[in-house]
Amino acid sequence: KNEVEQSPQNLTAQEGEFITINCSYSVGISALHWLQQHPGGGIVSLFMLSSGKKKHGRLIATINIQEKHSSLHITASHPRDSAVYICAVLPGAQKLVFGQGTRLTINP
Amino acid sequence: DAGVTQSPTHLIKTRGQQVTLRCSPKSGHDTVSWYQQALGQGPQFIFQYYEEEERQRGNFPDRFSGHQFPNYSSELNVNALLLGDSALYLCASSPDTFGGYTFGSGTRLTVV
Repeated sequence: KNEVEQSPQNLTAQEGEFITINCSYSVGISALHWLQQHPGGGIVSLFMLSSGKKKHGRLIATINIQEKHSSLHITASHPRDSAVYICAVLPGAQKLVFGQGTRLTINP
Repeated sequence: DAGVTQSPTHLIKTRGQQVTLRCSPKSGHDTVSWYQQALGQGPQFIFQYYEEEERQRGNFPDRFSGHQFPNYSSELNVNALLLGDSALYLCASSPDTFGGYTFGSGTRLTVV
């Protein structure tokens, strides 16, 4: 079993829908990252969380440390949100452990 | 303020050759981590450099080596390339080892 599990692996939705991507992890962590990767490779860091909730524009990220679970929400989704969303955790120091990613496709 | 810069962006090499990938960290960051991302997979940790030393290493053979320079920039070297080394190589910098990562756009290496 991977240390970081994301669900769903693939998600297709219509423009305007509310999107939720889930991340569960099995190790103690000091922080959790949500990352976005577009075709072509570049990774953009969306959020770094150690507790609670963060919001940036249409993106909201939450984390429940006790349940070892985090969610990324996208409100009013748009085709430009289509990308792979990756959850990565920091179990202590030094190296990120990545989930497999969720491929999101938003159709117009 | 420039983020993380990686070069080259794309590279094609032949089996058995050697390759060097380069990374300039974000200004103010002193820690550089390298990751390998195979097609359709999540990134896998290769190693991390801090104060010009390798702090931690992932499960990669000795063919993968690195270096960090006094200006915090870093190189990833891969010797005796195999077809399976074809991947996107990502560099991430941070101001310390506890997060705040900034990622580069990656170098896509193709081994033929």
